[in-house]
Amino acid sequence: AQSVTQLGSHVSVSEGALVLLRCNYSSSVPPYLFWYVQYPNQGLQLLLKYTSAATLVKGINGFEAEFKKSETSFHLTKPSAHMSDAAEYFCAIHTGTASKLTFGTGTRLQVTL
Amino acid sequence: DAGITQSPRHKVTETGTPVTLRCHQTENHRYMYWYRQDPGHGLRLIHYSYGVKDTDKGEVSDGYSVSRSKTEDFLLTLESATSSQTSVYFCAISERGDSYNEQFFGPGTRLTVL
Repeated sequence: AQSVTQLGSHVSVSEGALVLLRCNYSSSVPPYLFWYVQYPNQGLQLLLKYTSAATLVKGINGFEAEFKKSETSFHLTKPSAHMSDAAEYFCAIHTGTASKLTFGTGTRLQVTL
Repeated sequence: DAGITQSPRHKVTETGTPVTLRCHQTENHRYMYWYRQDPGHGLRLIHYSYGVKDTDKGEVSDGYSVSRSKTEDFLLTLESATSSQTSVYFCAISERGDSYNEQFFGPGTRLTVL
């Protein structure tokens, strides 16, 4: 069965600092991985997805993620945090048929001045 | 933004009462999903649909039923609500069933069972 683990339920960074949100996966087949963002009181919005075409995936709002098979990781990064990046971030992995996804438990990003 | 609406957006009900949540889409997508979001658990799949009248269970389906009589509507019913079903419920849609197809999410329904 496919699963993802997000390390750190809360991450705090200063504005302008590097953002690093960690996601490790477990999969018996080549994985398809996603990062979603949830702003307060809203639904989830797709940031980026890995579909095996390239290991470095660029998403919206300056975020990117690198797929590392040797480390079974798909960490999300952004070079310089902005106050508007404060949100909860979810890593997800495609599971079985019908485009089903299994989500991680989420990481809440706080950005301070 | 994908055309997904959920109703109601907020609901407070009492233990033992039936509750129905509605998801409506204007995208004509084949796949629809119901999730619940709880602190420390992320999102967990309750039920999903792969076509009109075609539904299947997710990982936390006990106490929930669904129906899909039209492409655009997917209903989630709690036959007899319990306090453990207090949660935020999200509907999602997907155009295709392949591995790299993303899901689009609605705004959510906050349900409180007293």
